[in-house]
Amino acid sequence: EAGVTQSPTHLIKTRGQQATLRCSPISGHTSVYWYQQALGLGLQFLLWYDEGEERNRGNFPPRFSGRQFPNYSSELNVNALELEDSALYLCASKRGEGEKLFFGSGTQLSVL
Amino acid sequence: LAKTTQPISMDSYEGQEVNITCSHNNIATNDYITWYQQFPSQGPRFIIQGYKTKVTNEVASLFIPADRKSSTLSLPRVSLSDTAVYYCLVATGGFKTIFGAGTRLFVKA
Repeated sequence: EAGVTQSPTHLIKTRGQQATLRCSPISGHTSVYWYQQALGLGLQFLLWYDEGEERNRGNFPPRFSGRQFPNYSSELNVNALELEDSALYLCASKRGEGEKLFFGSGTQLSVL
Repeated sequence: LAKTTQPISMDSYEGQEVNITCSHNNIATNDYITWYQQFPSQGPRFIIQGYKTKVTNEVASLFIPADRKSSTLSLPRVSLSDTAVYYCLVATGGFKTIFGAGTRLFVKA
């Protein structure tokens, strides 16, 4: 069974540009979570999608947005990139309530 | 939403048993307790999950007292490769699934 896959692995952008990160959950998983992890810090909750809808979001500005497609894959968009957006962005999926999260390997975003 | 508190860091030696305790005083009735392990530049990896009493798998044990206000992850006979950050997560099925700061475990030879 394939795990959670994220692309690209690395992404380099300049300040003010837009970044798009992609995530494919494990087959059968309908919930997708996005987290931001700055170097040496913990995971900051960004967004939660379930059955194609945004269910909740963390304390991030509106320039962080995303969506979930009918096949449950998800996309995270970051507009007007700032230097402090440089971080590892992790996607996780789960099948349902009480189930454990499975994480991808992340996208390392560097904003220059 | 249950908030978790863990020690920031712990040191151990190879072959020792390591116990990491997490406090979650306002855990809800239907919350599960899950522990994850994370190595640098990788996504967290599931270790163990429980609701009450004791759960054991091939890598760890999880002890949860009757009041469920805390939990203890026990790693038997740690090795250098167990050096990582360990997160305690208390969450119901959906919502924000917010992670705490985690515990940095450093295993020395």
